[in-house]
Amino acid sequence: AAGVIQSPRHLIKEKRETATLKCYPIPRHDTVYWYQQGPGQDPQFLISFYEKMQSDKGSIPDRFSAQQFSDYHSELNMSSLELGDSALYFCASRGGAADTQYFGPGTRLTVL
Amino acid sequence: AQSVTQPDIHITVSEGASLELRCNYSYGATPYLFWYVQSPGQGLQLLLKYFSGDTLVQGIKGFEAEFKRSQSSFNLRKPSVHWSDAAEYFCAVGAPKEYGNKLVFGAGTILRVKS
Repeated sequence: AAGVIQSPRHLIKEKRETATLKCYPIPRHDTVYWYQQGPGQDPQFLISFYEKMQSDKGSIPDRFSAQQFSDYHSELNMSSLELGDSALYFCASRGGAADTQYFGPGTRLTVL
Repeated sequence: AQSVTQPDIHITVSEGASLELRCNYSYGATPYLFWYVQSPGQGLQLLLKYFSGDTLVQGIKGFEAEFKRSQSSFNLRKPSVHWSDAAEYFCAVGAPKEYGNKLVFGAGTILRVKS
């Protein structure tokens, strides 16, 4: 079965640079969630989209923005990167009436 | 606000022994509860979930969990642990989709299996 796809899987950036993370949900899933997992931490909710509209917002820094496109894929844009942004970023998708989120493999961002 | 407590940061069990990972939640209504497993550097794999109905739920890889409303608990169990079960386990609570459905995770329990 198709799963959530995230790209890139690994990303290395310098401080103050920008990064774009991409998420392709499971086909026919209309909701996308972004989570950030710092080293040794539990995943923290950042933001979610339903039918291309922002549906919920968590602890997402103002330097980050995200959107969901007409094909339901989502992009997380991160600017003015800081060392503390180094983390594993997960995307999850959910479809229709189901209340289960399925996670992608994550993008590991390292900021040097 | 939703919250999840996993009291055990690390647990070590012998291969073949039984396992119970504890999870307590705080939520104002009937919660949606999940257990996910994460191997080092990997993504989160869903083990099982509880929405309603039978309070004992079966998951993949021989895991089960029991929802106890009176104790606000959703403990994960496995009768006989295999070395491949060594990983980090996260309990999570979610709201119904009309409330956003974001997940709140516990801090995780790292399971080590000794031979």
